[in-house]
Amino acid sequence: ETGVTQSPTHLIKTRGQQVTLRCSSQSGHNTVSWYQQALGQGPQFIFQYYREEENGRGNFPPRFSGLQFPNYSSELNVNALELDDSALYLCASSSGAQAFFGQGTRLTVV
Amino acid sequence: QKEVEQDPGPLSVPEGAIVSLNCTYSNSAFQYFMWYRQYSRKGPELLMYTYSSGNKEDGRFTAQVDKSSKYISLFIRDSQPSDSATYLCAMRPTQGGSEKLVFGKGTKLTVNP
Repeated sequence: ETGVTQSPTHLIKTRGQQVTLRCSSQSGHNTVSWYQQALGQGPQFIFQYYREEENGRGNFPPRFSGLQFPNYSSELNVNALELDDSALYLCASSSGAQAFFGQGTRLTVV
Repeated sequence: QKEVEQDPGPLSVPEGAIVSLNCTYSNSAFQYFMWYRQYSRKGPELLMYTYSSGNKEDGRFTAQVDKSSKYISLFIRDSQPSDSATYLCAMRPTQGGSEKLVFGKGTKLTVNP
């Protein structure tokens, strides 16, 4: 158990809809990152939040956005969903260089 | 050229075998190296974490980093069917800050009883 929890575990959305995924980070970790993992691929970095500010972003369009709250929990929002957004979305909280992942949210866009 | 290359396998071995998993990388700035184990439809679980070059051992697992060759390895001794999973290597240049973790594609391992 990493102490990182994500909700929901599974989600099915229609193309064009919007989705919000949630993450509670491990106690004491003030950095949270989001990754997208397509089937058969390694996780790809979406963005990172440190003390409620975005401080790093990968090669994802602006329709991927996020928030971090004072208790260090976080949300990932995706607007105008596309079929290619179907993937496992992973949240990780960090202590130094080590990152601990939640179980992920599997998003299917139909 | 991708920053991190990892043979996706699949790799199938008999129970008790020694397993060798490897990654190569191109970014000489990488300093922190991790191995994650991921069971099907689950999140990655941190197995090993090393800084710079050298070896690190934890039970049946040994991680090796050769920065001169830009090559990292994970060895699993006395492999068990419960080791069947996808193994992901990951690395980053700094301890924290805004630097992301860069992952390989993962190697799918099956240990047969």
